[in-house]
Amino acid sequence: AQSVTQLDSQVPVFEEAPVELRCNYSSSVSVYLFWYVQYPNQGLQLLLKYLSGSTLVESINGFEAEFNKSQTSFHLRKPSVHISDTAEYFCAVSEKGGSEKLVFGKGTKLTVNP
Amino acid sequence: DAGVIQSPRHEVTEMGQEVTLRCKPISGHNSLFWYRQTMMRGLELLIYFNNNVPIDDSGMPEDRFSAKMPNASFSTLKIQPSEPRDSAVYFCASRAQVGTEAFFGQGTRLTVV
Repeated sequence: AQSVTQLDSQVPVFEEAPVELRCNYSSSVSVYLFWYVQYPNQGLQLLLKYLSGSTLVESINGFEAEFNKSQTSFHLRKPSVHISDTAEYFCAVSEKGGSEKLVFGKGTKLTVNP
Repeated sequence: DAGVIQSPRHEVTEMGQEVTLRCKPISGHNSLFWYRQTMMRGLELLIYFNNNVPIDDSGMPEDRFSAKMPNASFSTLKIQPSEPRDSAVYFCASRAQVGTEAFFGQGTRLTVV
């Protein structure tokens, strides 16, 4: 069965600094990978996804993630963060074939300080 | 489309009472997920339906929990009897098909006292 590990539960950074949120997954088959963002008292919203093709995927608000099959990773990066990026970020995996359920990591709380 | 709709948004109940959470997925979506979110355990998948059929319920904590999807536009998650440790935010999500993203509802915050 698939699983997701987000290595950092909390990441504090200063505004305009770069950030990387780490995500590693475990699966015996090919996968689809997702990053979701959750703002306080809200549901989760899709940030970006990897389905196939180019291993580097981007969101409209400057985040990017790179699928690395050999390292089974899908780390999320942003070169310069804003106060408004403060939120919790979740990495998720869904196996191609099999049960195709969507499994999440425990989340990383990103806090951007002025 | 109004998105995934969950009700109620907040529920406070006494220990031992039955609780029913409701979810209306996005029209045309054929997969539906129920998740539970707590500080300690993060976002846990409870059960997953595909075309109204439960595919994987291995995350359902115990027999007190049950979920149904009588048709493509409605699902319920029931807890009977409820216990204080069931207090959490419960999310419903739907997906059009495999390989696409899941859309989440706003969640139901359950407090069992």
